[in-house]
Amino acid sequence: GESVGLHLPTLSVQEGDNSIINCAYSNSASDYFIWYKQESGKGPQFIIDIRSNMDKRQGQRVTVLLNKTVKHLSLQIAATQPGDSAVYFCAERDDKIIFGKGTRLHILP
Amino acid sequence: EAQVTQNPRYLITVTGKKLTVTCSQNMNHEYMSWYRQDPGLGLRQIYYSMNVEVTDKGDVPEGYKVSRKEKRNFPLILESPSPNQTSLYFCASSSLRTVYEQYFGPGTRLTVT
Repeated sequence: GESVGLHLPTLSVQEGDNSIINCAYSNSASDYFIWYKQESGKGPQFIIDIRSNMDKRQGQRVTVLLNKTVKHLSLQIAATQPGDSAVYFCAERDDKIIFGKGTRLHILP
Repeated sequence: EAQVTQNPRYLITVTGKKLTVTCSQNMNHEYMSWYRQDPGLGLRQIYYSMNVEVTDKGDVPEGYKVSRKEKRNFPLILESPSPNQTSLYFCASSSLRTVYEQYFGPGTRLTVT
């Protein structure tokens, strides 16, 4: 999951398995929660968002779950592929967008 | 192709020498923003703009200036760069209606010696 430490958390997943990336957020007033993907040498890319009045949203091969009780957000990637290798950031929006520190997803062949 | 462009992509400069990083978007977005990305600190917002001639400070605005004279352009100005401004900088844009869905540029890696 997300960390405030100097080292980026890393999740290693076998190709073809499902990946679950976790994130804890802090602001109960945030109305949107967002996931971004950043591939090496590129800018972050929007993946999916979820409004605070929802607890689940599905996209193409991705699902975001929101648990407001424990202020927890997760991104599930189905059938992980080599192209999913990247750093994943969660973000929350209140009056502005605050990004988490990121989790590196490493795909094992 | 819808995109956000930044120039230059790489820059090495010396302390105190004024520089400008340009940012341009072709999606007619009202909202534009600058971030810096540092190891262990993630993405931090420097300045943002909700429309032409409207700019606001983000979380780390010290040592930076911006301007928004045209809708498509949002340059980042470092009047007197210092080594602690060595970082990877990203420009982003979005519509005001969907600020959570930002389109990022490719980044500018700045080194100040």
